[in-house]
Amino acid sequence: EIVLTQSPATLSLSPGERATLSCRASQSVSIYLAWYQQKPGQAPRLLIYDASKRATGIPGRFSGSGSGTDFTLTISSLEPEDFAVYYCQQRSNWPPPLTFGGGTKVEIK
Amino acid sequence: QVQLQESGPGLVKPSGTLSLTCAVSGDSISSINWWSWVRQPPGKGLEWIGEIFHSGSTNYSPSLKSRVTMSVDKSKNQFSLRLTSVTAADTAMYYCARMGYGADEYFHDWGQGTLVTVSS
Repeated sequence: EIVLTQSPATLSLSPGERATLSCRASQSVSIYLAWYQQKPGQAPRLLIYDASKRATGIPGRFSGSGSGTDFTLTISSLEPEDFAVYYCQQRSNWPPPLTFGGGTKVEIK
Repeated sequence: QVQLQESGPGLVKPSGTLSLTCAVSGDSISSINWWSWVRQPPGKGLEWIGEIFHSGSTNYSPSLKSRVTMSVDKSKNQFSLRLTSVTAADTAMYYCARMGYGADEYFHDWGQGTLVTVSS
């Protein structure tokens, strides 16, 4: 099973600042990695898939990069609605299991 | 836009069976998608439980495989989860989700979730 490790666990930033979140895989997942945003009391929402492709309706301030074992989600300028928990997920190996990272909470400083 | 709605008992007794259904609207359960279940214990992260294709083909998490069964009801456009021998560790928010197929196997649409508590 591929383990995804996210860092940091918590990121304290102010609106307008840049957020950089990391996801590291225990073995290569090529580009088959997604990022999700989850707000309190809500289901997760797909932001980025295939490491760098924005899902439908996702603002341009969200971008993803990386391949192999190291991935980054960048929020270029934090809006108030961006404070949430972010999870990465891989779909590299077949058959599954699909796995998620432990999450990074982006909180208001 | 696909909509998914979970339903089922919110309270299950220890050693009992958890049964949930996910009603799908806006898409056919027979479309080329995997239909999945994901859970989230209170205050914790996401855990993939498994997935089912409309043909009945399934993939389950190795850690839950011995206790999980998923099924599809094409006539009702819904799919279901059954988890046996539950314990307090199975207390979680349970989400159903639509995944793409092949190169698109990500969770595109989610239900709102249903909280299941395992307690006597």
